[in-house]
Amino acid sequence: SQQGEEDPQALSIQEGENATMNCSYKTSINNLQWYRQNSGRGLVHLILIRSNEREKHSGRLRVTLDTSKKSSSLLITASRAADTASYFCATDRRGAQKLVFGQGTRLTINP
Amino acid sequence: EAQVTQNPRYLITVTGKKLTVTCSQNMNHEYMSWYRQDPGLGLRQIYYSMNVEVTDKGDVPEGYKVSRKEKRNFPLILESPSPNQTSLYFCASSSGLVSNTEQFFGPGTRLTVL
Repeated sequence: SQQGEEDPQALSIQEGENATMNCSYKTSINNLQWYRQNSGRGLVHLILIRSNEREKHSGRLRVTLDTSKKSSSLLITASRAADTASYFCATDRRGAQKLVFGQGTRLTINP
Repeated sequence: EAQVTQNPRYLITVTGKKLTVTCSQNMNHEYMSWYRQDPGLGLRQIYYSMNVEVTDKGDVPEGYKVSRKEKRNFPLILESPSPNQTSLYFCASSSGLVSNTEQFFGPGTRLTVL
């Protein structure tokens, strides 16, 4: 079964606004990662948050993790046109060397 | 430049004609994997390798083969391609365990099977 599920599937905002994407998962994890994909291209790693962390920052990105609710959120502040992309969360499964991706959130930043 | 390369980038073929998609990384990574990306289904892992001569099935291995004879290379083999294998394929590598290490992705191979 799909481990990570992103919400919303698509998000369109104005440049300068903040964008929030959510990810839910079903089983216990060691860590959760977020990736960005520009149209049809390879994925680029954004940030990794460990299961014992609640929040992590990287530049304009803020990721939170709530293991009790099995959910994570990715916040992009002061969005730019270059942030237009699809964003995926990826989780591991404890005891398995597999990374499972959600279906992604397609983010569009309007100038 | 540290990178993962895939070839070919685009391929149109016919049902049953064996093909190989190559993947190579220059970062001395131990872990490599293959994913396919389909609309509405996200990325699904096909096979992965934790080191030379060590490979294992992912979530959708049927119809695919892999080999890991050298650390840098991890080719994906479709011995008898079928139209349901039309997809966008990505190779990825990392220096350590999947769970706690950044994955580096190749640029993708868009495969069409007629």
